[in-house]
Parts: sequence; structure tokens; C-alpha cells
Amino acid sequence: AQSVTQPDIHITVSEGASLELRCNYSYGATPYLFWYVQSPGQGLQLLLKYFSGDTLVQGIKGFEAEFKRSQSSFNLRKPSVHWSDAAEYFCAVGSTGNQFYFGTGTSLTVIP
Amino acid sequence: DGGITQSPKYLFRKEGQNVTLSCEQNLNHDAMYWYRQDPGQGLRLIYYSQIVNDFQKGDIAEGYSVSREKKESFPLTVTSAQKNPTAFYLCASSHPGRVDSNEQFFGPGTRLTVL
Repeated sequence: AQSVTQPDIHITVSEGASLELRCNYSYGATPYLFWYVQSPGQGLQLLLKYFSGDTLVQGIKGFEAEFKRSQSSFNLRKPSVHWSDAAEYFCAVGSTGNQFYFGTGTSLTVIP
Repeated sequence: DGGITQSPKYLFRKEGQNVTLSCEQNLNHDAMYWYRQDPGQGLRLIYYSQIVNDFQKGDIAEGYSVSREKKESFPLTVTSAQKNPTAFYLCASSHPGRVDSNEQFFGPGTRLTVL
């Protein structure tokens, strides 16, 4: 069965520090992988996506993610976090039937 | 501007009442989805529709109903049978025919509170 695990419920980083949010997936075929960000009381905004090809994908707001098939992971990274990055982050895997499976999210706090 | 609209943003209802949440998209997407979001549980799929006049149950369909009479609209009714309806509801759409862009686009959400 398809599933997505985000092992970190909450992460706190200092402004300017680097960030890595973990995501592990379980999926039988080649996965379509996504990272979304959600500000409080808002909908989800797509940060980046992976379908095929280069395993390092670049997204908006300076984020990137690396697909590692051997580890079933798709971790999100940012070299220098800004206070405006504080939000909830969701990893998702999309199936060929276009159903999505979301992780439970990681809440990011940025301290000055 | 293309996008997804959900209304109202905040909704209050009394126990035992049915309530309908609106979702409209002008992206010309075939597929539409309803999710429920609770703290610490991520997004859970309620219903989805791949095409007009057809829809399927998701993981937590009990107590909910939908219709898809138009491509642009996918309203969700929360019935009195839903035992714990207070939550944040998100509508999404996608264009499943295109493998390179089957991301889901989300509306701003409706927060439903049962009094």
C-alpha cells in the first residue's frame, strides 16, 4: 500500500541556518513526489515535484529536494532559512490513478 | 486569474444539520478532490471525481456526500451522520491526463465548526 512518512512532527531552526525535512515513501512503482507548504489557515502551495530524470529538483522560494530510490526518500532542503519559511510542510506521493497520499506534515518554526 | 475558490471561509453549524461546502475551479481540470485536515493527521481523502457525473469514495467518506454535475463544481455536503465534522476542509483539482503536470492545486479551505 502507498504511504508517506514524515518522521519529524516539529522542527525549530534559527534564521539563516540550513534546513532538511525528511520524507520517506512506500510505493510499488516509480513514484511522483511532491512537497507542499501550508501557511496557517490557508490552502497548500506546491514547492516542487519529481516525476523522472534528474534526482535533484529545484523549487520555488529557494527549496530543493533529492529523490533517493535506494532509500525511498525525498528530503526537502534549503541552505538558509528565512523567517517567512515558518509553515507546515507536506510531502506527498501521487499514483498513476492521480490519487495523492500525504504525510502528516512537519511544522517549521524559525527563531530570530 | 485561474484557480480554485472555496466558500465560505468559515462555517458554523448546529449539531444535526446538514451543510454544503462550495468548491469551484476555472482551471479546466477534469479531476477534483475533497480532503479533511485535522491537527497532526495530515490530509485525508473524503471523495474524488475524475470526470463529470462520476465520483469515488476516499478513505473517510462516511457522513459525507458529493455531486459533480459540472466540470467546474464539486460541492461537498457534510451530513448529520458525520460524527465529528469540525475540521478544515480543502478542495483540490488536477489534470490527470498529463503525467508531467498531475500536481494537485488547492483552494484556500473552509473551516467548519459544529456548535
